[in-house]
Order: sequence, then structure tokens, then C-alpha cells
Amino acid sequence: EAGVVQSPRYKIIEKKQPVAFWCNPISGHNTLYWYLQNLGQGPELLIRYENEEAVDDSQLPKDRFSAERLKGVDSTLKIQPAELGDSAVYLCASSSIGLGGAETQYFGPGTRLLVL
Amino acid sequence: AQSVAQPEDQVNVAEGNPLTVKCTYSVSGNPYLFWYVQYPNRGLQFLLKYITGDNLVKGSYGFEAEFNKSQTSFHLKKPSALVSDSALYFCAVRASNAGNNRKLIWGLGTSLAVNP
Repeated sequence: EAGVVQSPRYKIIEKKQPVAFWCNPISGHNTLYWYLQNLGQGPELLIRYENEEAVDDSQLPKDRFSAERLKGVDSTLKIQPAELGDSAVYLCASSSIGLGGAETQYFGPGTRLLVL
Repeated sequence: AQSVAQPEDQVNVAEGNPLTVKCTYSVSGNPYLFWYVQYPNRGLQFLLKYITGDNLVKGSYGFEAEFNKSQTSFHLKKPSALVSDSALYFCAVRASNAGNNRKLIWGLGTSLAVNP
């Protein structure tokens, strides 16, 4: 079974430029998550999708960040314009409801963003 | 409020010795508890989870974790550490009765170093 796929793996851009990250979840997983992870810290949820609906985007900085999951499968996270503080690893995860209602999130390899 | 604490930033252990990575939590009601491992420049990999039932949960790569309700702990253990176990370990929790609010609360991570 293929895991969560993310691209690109690395991205270097200058501040104020736009950037986009792509994620393809595990087949059959209805729930998709975007996380931000700073060095040496735990992941921070940006947005959660159930199919194509964003059900939790309370932590997404909507002035510069946007996300979409138009067909309920793959998803794109965009930053425009990027700031120096956006340098981090952006992780995508997917899950489906498991035994007892406890879903397990499976993560992609992440996109490491460096804003210069 | 829900929270997770990993009281040790770093754990050092000699190869072949048993290892323990500690996690304590606070949730309303019964918890779902998870352990993930992150190798350098990689995404998070699921190790194991506790939903209900047997307090001792066995997971990937020989790891296990013991749920202790009275101490609100879910410590990760392995009987004999390998150098290849050196990585960053994250504990996460959410309440089992969270309804649609299935957001995981993540610990800050514990860096495990296994010395040859």
C-alpha cells in the first residue's frame, strides 16, 4: 500500500514569493491534515479536511495561507506571500476511522521550506 | 484542557539496555493515546496506540507502551535498545468522546540517543 505522498521534498524561496505544497493521501482515507513542524518541536495542526470540507481551520493563518481539497482526494497548501518565519517542515497526514472510532494518522515525508 | 507532557527532552541509553520514554496526559474522559517516531529528515511514523482493553500495547519495531490510568501515563518501552532506535519520539492524545473535534494534542518530543 502506498503511503502519503508529498511534493516537493525541499523548497527554497525568497521572502514575499508564493509557494505551494501538494499532498496525495493514502487511498480510501477520507481525512486529510496539514501540519507545520518547527525544528525540535511537535507538529501543529493547520487544517483538517473531511473529504472536501475543511472542518477545522482555526489554526490556519488565513491572511497568507490557503488550502484546498477540491475532489476530496489530493490537497494543496499555499502560502502567499511567504515570510521568513514560515521556514519549517510542512507535514501532510491522512486517516480513516478505525476500530473503536480511533483513527490513526499516517504521515508523509514532509516538505522542508526555507524562506530567505 | 487537554495536554500532553514528555518530561525528558533527551534520553540516553546504552545499546542492549532497556529504554523508557515517558509520557503523561490530561484529558476529559477516556483517552486515545499514540506514539510516533521521527527519524532525521523524515515524517512521523506510527508506532502504536491505546484505545481500550489491555493496558500493555505492543507496536512496531519491538516497542510497547503501558497505559496507567491512575497515573495518567503512557510510557514507551523497549526491552533491548538498538542504535537504530535513535530518533525523536512523540506522544499524542485525544479524548475518546471528542465527537467531531478529533484534534490530537502532541507532546514536544523526546530525543532518544542509543549509544553503541
